[in-house]
Amino acid sequence: QKEVEQDPGPLSVPEGAIVSLNCTYSNSAFQYFMWYRQYSRKGPELLMYTYSSGNKEDGRFTAQVDKSSKYISLFIRDSQPSDSATYLCAMTSFARDTGRRALTFGSGTRLQVQP
Amino acid sequence: DAGVTQSPTHLIKTRGQHVTLRCSPISGHKSVSWYQQVLGQGPQFIFQYYEKEERGRGNFPDRFSARQFPNYSSELNVNALLLGDSALYLCASSLARDRGSNEKLFFGSGTQLSVL
Repeated sequence: QKEVEQDPGPLSVPEGAIVSLNCTYSNSAFQYFMWYRQYSRKGPELLMYTYSSGNKEDGRFTAQVDKSSKYISLFIRDSQPSDSATYLCAMTSFARDTGRRALTFGSGTRLQVQP
Repeated sequence: DAGVTQSPTHLIKTRGQHVTLRCSPISGHKSVSWYQQVLGQGPQFIFQYYEKEERGRGNFPDRFSARQFPNYSSELNVNALLLGDSALYLCASSLARDRGSNEKLFFGSGTQLSVL
C-alpha cells in the first residue's frame, strides 16, 4: 500500500464548476501538507502549503486538512480552462535533528476544465 | 529573479551509459533536492543537499549519486543507465535557513531523460 493515495482521474468539469481533489495518507508522522500544480512537460508549481488541521484559503483555492482522518483536500472555485493540469498532493515529516526534508507525493489527478 | 534552472532540458542515452544532470537553485537558496518522476506517477525523492552535505537519501541504488558545489548548484549523476531510469528528473531548492525550519520547495522544469 502506498503512503499517499490519490485518484488519478482524469476529472473533467465544465468551466465555472467547483472542483474537489483529495488525498489520503497512512503515515501519521506527516506534518506539512502541500498541493502542487503541474502542467505538461513542466515542473510542479506550489499552490498551497498548510501545517495544521483546518482550512486555508488563497483566492479561488482552499486547502483542507483533517489529520484525524488522514485526509486532505483541495477545492477550486470558479474553475477556468487554464486550471487544466495535473494536481499533486505532497506531504512531509520534517526531521529537525538532521534537517532532512523529503516530500512524499501522490500520483497526481489530471484535471480538464471544459470551456 | 530566475527560478530553479536545470540543464539539459532533454537527453537521450543508451543502456549502460553515464549521465550528469545540472541544477542551479533560486538565488539565496542553500538547499537542493532531486526527484525522479516516472510518467503517470508523482515525483520520488532521490537526494537532498544543504551546504554541500547530504541531508537525506531516498530508496535509490548506488548508481545514483549527487553533489553540491560552494555556489549551491548541484549535479546528479547516474551510472550504468537502465531502461527504467527513463523519467523526468526534477531539482528543487529551498532557503533552509537552519536545521529547525521547514520551508517550501520550489521546482525547476526538469530534465527529460530517455534511455534506449
